[in-house]
This record gives sequence, structure tokens and C-alpha cells, in this order.
Amino acid sequence: DAKTTQPPSMDCAEGRAANLPCNHSTISGNEYVYWYRQIHSQGPQYIIHGLKNNETNEMASLIITEDRKSSTLILPHATLRDTAVYYCIVRVYRGGATNKLIFGTGTLLAVQP
Amino acid sequence: DTAVSQTPKYLVTQMGNDKSIKCEQNLGHDTMYWYKQDSKKFLKIMFSYNNKELIINETVPNRFSPKSPDKAHLNLHINSLELGDSAVYFCASSQDMGIQQYFGPGTRLTVT
Repeated sequence: DAKTTQPPSMDCAEGRAANLPCNHSTISGNEYVYWYRQIHSQGPQYIIHGLKNNETNEMASLIITEDRKSSTLILPHATLRDTAVYYCIVRVYRGGATNKLIFGTGTLLAVQP
Repeated sequence: DTAVSQTPKYLVTQMGNDKSIKCEQNLGHDTMYWYKQDSKKFLKIMFSYNNKELIINETVPNRFSPKSPDKAHLNLHINSLELGDSAVYFCASSQDMGIQQYFGPGTRLTVT
């Protein structure tokens, strides 16, 4: 699996967009980029995933560079409840038996009032 | 309704004891997982079951034994507990071993 690099921490003002970067320079063509987050003392929560194209859902947008070596998770209007550790995970999606998430150290996003 | 539930939420026990953690999901998923998050917050998979069959078994001591009585349940039994077993244990489930996994609230195990 491709290794990911994320900044250990970031701050964002409430109501502003939070842009969380992730480097995955060794990503292969069949590897997906997933984002999960973990709010303090809770279980991780799925946010979004993508392969090549940019993706958007009700929680966030995922922008993947054309060479796929990096991506950015965008929370368009951060709230205090978005304070969490955000994990960028790169993984081959196997329809078979070994789909396991390998979590790194993530980015602690602190949304400031 | 809670999608993935775990019991107990907190478990404090002494070294050498045997304990179990239970997990139930009401999402109709066919794959369930156990993850361990240690004191440094590293989150690592331990096991996964698909349709009651063990699929992933990471390098976990054999004191840990998962059991899946049916697709909706995956329990974790730990024998001869050690101090290093202290951690938060998360259960998760997904459909068809898919990308989106749903996590439970965690069980904080403290071994004294």
C-alpha cells in the first residue's frame, strides 16, 4: 500500500474552509484514496473516497491532483464539531477478502471559534 | 438506533483474568472487524470476519480469540490479560468488505 504523509496538526477558523493535504507520491494506478476522521473518544467515521476524479458529498470534497500523488480534503464550512483527527488512507480496493484499513497518524484539525 | 454497538464501554480488570467484549451491528452487513487503538492513538486492525468466516488475522497473540455466532455479531475474547492489552478496542462493519466501514463507539480496556 502507498504510504501517506499528513501534517500532524492544523488550525481553522469556524465557518471557514478547512483544507487538509495528503501526500501519497508512491500511489499506484489501482489504489483509492480514502478519508476517515476520529472525533475525540469516538470511533472513526468514513468521510469520502476517490480514485482519479474529484469527489463531493454532503460532508466534504476530495480533490486529487492529476498525477494522483497528492490530495486535499476540503470541509467547506468548518464547525467546532469538525475538530478531529483526519486520516488519509491509500488502499487497493479488493472486492475479496483483505480489505483492511491501515491508519497512519493523521492530522489533528482544531477548529477555532 | 445505534448501527454498531459494543459492550461494555469500559472494562477494568486485573492481569491474568479472561474477559470478553461484544459487538453487534444492525446494518445487515456481512463483514465485521476488530481494531485496537493503543495509548499512542495508533489504530490497527486485528481481525475481520466475512459471513462468520475468519478472513483477516493480523499478528495478534493467540490469547485473543474472535467469535462470530452470526453475521450480526462479532465478539472478542481475551485470555490471560496483560498490561499491554490496555487499549481502546473498536468493532466495525462493512458490506461486502467494502470501502466504507462503520465503527462502534469503542471499549476502553484497562488492565491493572
